[in-house]
Amino acid sequence: GESVGLHLPTLSVQEGDNSIINCAYSNSASDYFIWYKQESGKGPQFIIDIRSNMDKRQGQRVTVLLNKTVKHLSLQIAATQPGDSAVYFCAENRPNNAGNMLTFGGGTRLMVKP
Amino acid sequence: DTGVSQDPRHKITKRGQNVTFRCDPISEHNRLYWYRQTLGQGPEFLTYFQNEAQLEKSRLLSDRFSAERPKGSFSTLEIQRTEQGDSAMYLCASSMGTGPYEQYFGPGTRLTVT
Repeated sequence: GESVGLHLPTLSVQEGDNSIINCAYSNSASDYFIWYKQESGKGPQFIIDIRSNMDKRQGQRVTVLLNKTVKHLSLQIAATQPGDSAVYFCAENRPNNAGNMLTFGGGTRLMVKP
Repeated sequence: DTGVSQDPRHKITKRGQNVTFRCDPISEHNRLYWYRQTLGQGPEFLTYFQNEAQLEKSRLLSDRFSAERPKGSFSTLEIQRTEQGDSAMYLCASSMGTGPYEQYFGPGTRLTVT
């Protein structure tokens, strides 16, 4: 396929637990990836990005892991909070497609139970 | 608030009418992107500008759609002769530099065509 996709459409976690959201991509030429968080009625909010020359990048409570061998991307959220409840999208940049657009997956809904 | 603003936030129009949306990017950002998002899906790329030049258009952007960024600052997206299938969230994003990196999205304009 040509699209960025996600393994799980809905993920439910307990407050305080760690969350892992997964994303598979099919284009081996993709060189840049972003995770966005989108709350209802709002635009996507930038969380963290990673370039293909890295396999791990950490932010505040978030870590992105990139496995180019199996074309897999994951977002780990530590100590998940109710405010983390949202839809999460991964997006990729494909340099063979003019290299100037992001292609988004379908999203995973994260639900945090108090 | 990412610093990207869009106006209006909501627009209801009748089929066949023309609509125009405005996006004000983060002031120092030279790149501006338009995306369309339908319910439950990730954003889909429509077009992007580097300064005032429109450098890429998706095949999703039919002849009824036109975008401008006359002075390299704000941008407008016009849809002529709207159809019910145009109902969606129209998102604007901006970034700095020469690649599609760290795109920051606005809150979107929700279009409903009746």
